[in-house]
Amino acid sequence: EADIYQTPRYLVIGTGKKITLECSQTMGHDKMYWYQQDPGMELHLIHYSYGVNSTEKGDLSSESTVSRIRTEHFPLTLESARPSHTSQYLCANHPERGDNEQYFGPGTRLTVT
Amino acid sequence: AQSVAQPEDQVNVAEGNPLTVKCTYSVSGNPYLFWYVQYPNRGLQFLLKYITGDNLVKGSYGFEAEFNKSQTSFHLKKPSALVSDSALYFCAVRVLNQAGTALIFGKGTTLSVSS
Repeated sequence: EADIYQTPRYLVIGTGKKITLECSQTMGHDKMYWYQQDPGMELHLIHYSYGVNSTEKGDLSSESTVSRIRTEHFPLTLESARPSHTSQYLCANHPERGDNEQYFGPGTRLTVT
Repeated sequence: AQSVAQPEDQVNVAEGNPLTVKCTYSVSGNPYLFWYVQYPNRGLQFLLKYITGDNLVKGSYGFEAEFNKSQTSFHLKKPSALVSDSALYFCAVRVLNQAGTALIFGKGTTLSVSS
């Protein structure tokens, strides 16, 4: 089990609003990831963290930002939401013991109107 | 460039028939390969992986995958499909980046099993 949680599961919000998508884990793994996925489409890595105070941008450019102040939390923030941000956002972690498989949270489906 | 490809957007099979979901990869070095499944409105669930050893790996829910180095493939298989297997399937490969390792995912294949 990944024991990785995301809130909210669904969010509909107006353009220009600031939003934070929460991702939390109970297993204390250092490595965490954020992916963006359009419906039925491939995943794109947008952010990752290899530990506290470590954050990096992924392969897909994103206007979102992340922080990693505590091992348990890896929130993603959009300062000013736009319709182009409408997507599903998936958070994942990676146990240190293992062969690089990642375990995913249930995702947050964001709709910006 | 390191990549993974799933050549089929959709695979349709009848319940009880064998299924195959195709995946090919391009990486430098020895490949670490993974399969994930995604049900509607859910996150991805890890199914199985190939790291080394036996080319046929077994995973969750009766799925297995065959690693073929000469064909650079890692096809997902199941001897007898169930309607409940209908979902979106992703193949992934480990790659090295500036901070360590990451996974690259294929575009996904929708499996539809009819009763």
